[in-house]
Amino acid sequence: GNSVTQMEGPVTLSEEAFLTINCTYTATGYPSLFWYVQYPGEGLQLLLKATKADDKGSNKGFEATYRKETTSFHLEKGSVQVSDSAVYFCALRVGGGADGLTFGKGTHLIIQP
Amino acid sequence: DTAVSQTPKYLVTQMGNDKSIKCEQNLGHDTMYWYKQDSKKFLKIMFSYNNKELIINETVPNRFSPKSPDKAHLNLHINSLELGDSAVYFCASSHPPEADTQYFGPGTRLTVL
Repeated sequence: GNSVTQMEGPVTLSEEAFLTINCTYTATGYPSLFWYVQYPGEGLQLLLKATKADDKGSNKGFEATYRKETTSFHLEKGSVQVSDSAVYFCALRVGGGADGLTFGKGTHLIIQP
Repeated sequence: DTAVSQTPKYLVTQMGNDKSIKCEQNLGHDTMYWYKQDSKKFLKIMFSYNNKELIINETVPNRFSPKSPDKAHLNLHINSLELGDSAVYFCASSHPPEADTQYFGPGTRLTVL
């Protein structure tokens, strides 16, 4: 089956620190990979995505590269802000039709001023 | 202009009751989904539906059923509610060719007493 593994949280950093949130996956077939973000009290928003190996997704200073050889899609940001505090979900989707997303368990990120 | 909306935002009810959560999307998407987020923030697909197929996650009890009166709506009906059904339920939608990108509603927090 399909699964996504993320680093456990919470992750606490100071403002302007470098961020890495690890994500690895197992999938039957060739998945598309995603990072979603959930701010407190809100629904999920797509942060970035990559649909094939070596693609780099980027948005709002965040980046992640689809690494097929290591089955990874680590999220990085060079300088985090307090407003980045949220729960981050790594996810994959295999196939077409009406297939849903398979999510990791989420990483709670806390940025301190 | 809310893309994916859900009602109600909060739902508190007694064990054994039957309840429904409504979802509407105004994006013209043809595929809709229901996800359950438990108290530990873990997100799991429950249903995927378009006008051609319904995909049901095999772990979902048959007390849960999706109903789609039209392409823009996918409501979630829950019979004989149990304590373990307490969670946040998210609706989402997507559409080819960007079927990989799912747009989420704000969530409905269901509390079963």
